[in-house]
Amino acid sequence: QLQLQESGPGLVKPSETLSLTCNVSGGSISSSSYYWGWIRQPPGKGLEWIGSIYYSGSTYYNPSLKSRVNISVDTSKNQFSLNLRSVTAADTAVYYCARHILFVHMVQGDPTLSGWFDPWGQGTLVTVSS
Amino acid sequence: NFMLTQPHSVSESPGKTVTISCTRSSGSIASNYVQWYQQRPGSAPTPVIYEDNQRPSGVPDRFSGSIDSSSNSASLTISGLKTEDEADYYCQSYESSYWVFGEGTKLIVL
Repeated sequence: QLQLQESGPGLVKPSETLSLTCNVSGGSISSSSYYWGWIRQPPGKGLEWIGSIYYSGSTYYNPSLKSRVNISVDTSKNQFSLNLRSVTAADTAVYYCARHILFVHMVQGDPTLSGWFDPWGQGTLVTVSS
Repeated sequence: NFMLTQPHSVSESPGKTVTISCTRSSGSIASNYVQWYQQRPGSAPTPVIYEDNQRPSGVPDRFSGSIDSSSNSASLTISGLKTEDEADYYCQSYESSYWVFGEGTKLIVL
């Protein structure tokens, strides 16, 4: 059974870099069928997709965060990581990693990318504060 | 980029049926699949519907999904409500390399 587990500091100072790692167990991160994603949830608020990575290093990023985000993958350790630069209090959130199931399907004759997230890690709270 | 709008909260009694809507702000709701996630307090989200109307293994058939092009919206319907269904529910879709979640709906079963 595939399991994901986030790890990293729970407290980060403003203007510094938030760094988290997601360890994948029960399956290979090098599977050709999946991307691997990060999603966050500020306290009491909704979900926001941050970005996703393929084992080859190919990435997708949320345009609103793209200038501050870097996601990398280490296939030898079966894990992937998130770096978010220049954090502020607005970046305080529970950060989740998840397997990102991507596939192409046909919509009115045109190939279209789609995707969803399953399973998710348990999440880790990161607070940005001095 | 588009937004997915959900009601802030809905409430219904055990045994009844409830429907949660998810309206796409621009572009066609049929242009990409819609997923639904359940999030109980203190837990990570788990999918209850994928590809508009498919149920993952282990999700009871009390959960169903649909889309309506006339209202440009998707719906999650839960029948035979149980107290354990009380949770937050999020819709999710995609466009142009951008995955979007709705704001979430709190389902209260009372």
